[in-house]
Amino acid sequence: EDKVVQSPLSLVVHEGDTVTLNCSYEVTNFRSLLWYKQEKKAPTFLFMLTSSGIEKKSGRLSSILDKKELFSILNITATQTGDSAVYLCAVLLNAGNNRKLIWGLGTSLAVNP
Amino acid sequence: NAGVMQNPRHLVRRRGQEARLRCSPMKGHSHVYWYRQLPEEGLKFMVYLQKENIIDESGMPKERFSAEFPKEGPSILRIQQVVRGDSAAYFCASSRSGTGLNTEAFFGQGTRLTVV
Repeated sequence: EDKVVQSPLSLVVHEGDTVTLNCSYEVTNFRSLLWYKQEKKAPTFLFMLTSSGIEKKSGRLSSILDKKELFSILNITATQTGDSAVYLCAVLLNAGNNRKLIWGLGTSLAVNP
Repeated sequence: NAGVMQNPRHLVRRRGQEARLRCSPMKGHSHVYWYRQLPEEGLKFMVYLQKENIIDESGMPKERFSAEFPKEGPSILRIQQVVRGDSAAYFCASSRSGTGLNTEAFFGQGTRLTVV
């Protein structure tokens, strides 16, 4: 059974801290791994990772994929209260005529002032 | 059970014309998401709809773009007066429930829009 596991499930930090969120997966027909930030109803796309070892950065956020060990991490440096959200990891699979997206349970991040 | 169906698969429009992209969700799915993918980029969220309601359109450009998901029929993403920068692959995804945790969302094959 395809699965995506995120850890920790929740995290509380103070502004200025650095956090690392983890996402491991066991899937067939892996295509790519995606990170999303969810504050409202729909997730906001952060990164898509397809190749191992290539870090993607966007401001204070960065992410990297290890296809050998089957995991990805999302780093947030100098956290701000606006970073408080649920961070979702999803793995995109090739599944016949569709591309199936398997979601993790998410990491709920709370950044306190 | 047919998957998420998008049509057309390829669409060519001249600058200034209108593009209409259709998405029929999987049977039993009432939540639809539209994404745009530009070359070398990932999927960019555009809009999230339930039947007859727009839940989140924070990713939609303010001008020229609109989306609907009527009670009957497919979801439509409409782009008026297309420009070259609208050329991209547009993906639709559907899910049975909302974007709560651990929800599987299935994607269609996408519509590749080319503006000439």
